[in-house]
Amino acid sequence: GAVVSQHPSWVICKSGTSVKIECRSLDFQATTMFWYRQFPKQSLMLMATSNEGSKATYEQGVEKDKFLINHASLTLSTLTVTSAHPEDSSFYICSARKLAGADTQYFGPGTRLTVL
Amino acid sequence: AQKVTQAQTEISVVEKEDVTLDCVYETRDTTYYLFWYKQPPSGELVFLIRRNSFDEQNEISGRYSWNFQKSTSSFNFTITASQVVDSAVYFCALSALTDSWGKLQFGAGTQVVVTP
Repeated sequence: GAVVSQHPSWVICKSGTSVKIECRSLDFQATTMFWYRQFPKQSLMLMATSNEGSKATYEQGVEKDKFLINHASLTLSTLTVTSAHPEDSSFYICSARKLAGADTQYFGPGTRLTVL
Repeated sequence: AQKVTQAQTEISVVEKEDVTLDCVYETRDTTYYLFWYKQPPSGELVFLIRRNSFDEQNEISGRYSWNFQKSTSSFNFTITASQVVDSAVYFCALSALTDSWGKLQFGAGTQVVVTP
């Protein structure tokens, strides 16, 4: 199988604080990891593509200084929401892919972020 | 640019009925991949199937079947004899080979509600 975990599964924080979300591929090495954001009853919106050892590629409209991505190893990528505000409240989902190109992405269980 | 259209927002069926989810895609690439994912209320996306553009054979996996027709740019998904556990949002997605990152373009999703 291909298992991806995320931690934490949910987090509540005060406005102005930073929150770090971890994404791990548990039984495979992931060449690429992706970070998505999903609003209620909507589809997934790709935020950024992360490759191990290099800078993340952000989608248009996504603030890279706001959403810091670090991909330190082939099994771990982190997303840090800096100086979070209520509008950052959302469901964040990561995915990991074994091989380059159009290989299957396996998704984590998601992290529910609520900013008060 | 890639585009995936899932015109059905929500489908409600009674248990044991069949349900077909439509997916229409647009791409200029000749090599691409199509996916279906299931998102139950827990939030995690579950991979169901991956199909490349050169393989038009229909596929059956248990109660699930898929009908890929390049002539109509469609990749429809049928659940036979639906069960309450099939209640979820189902996403169709497309990835083009020319996109080296293999980004997934998701449709809007179709909510399936199966009642006993």
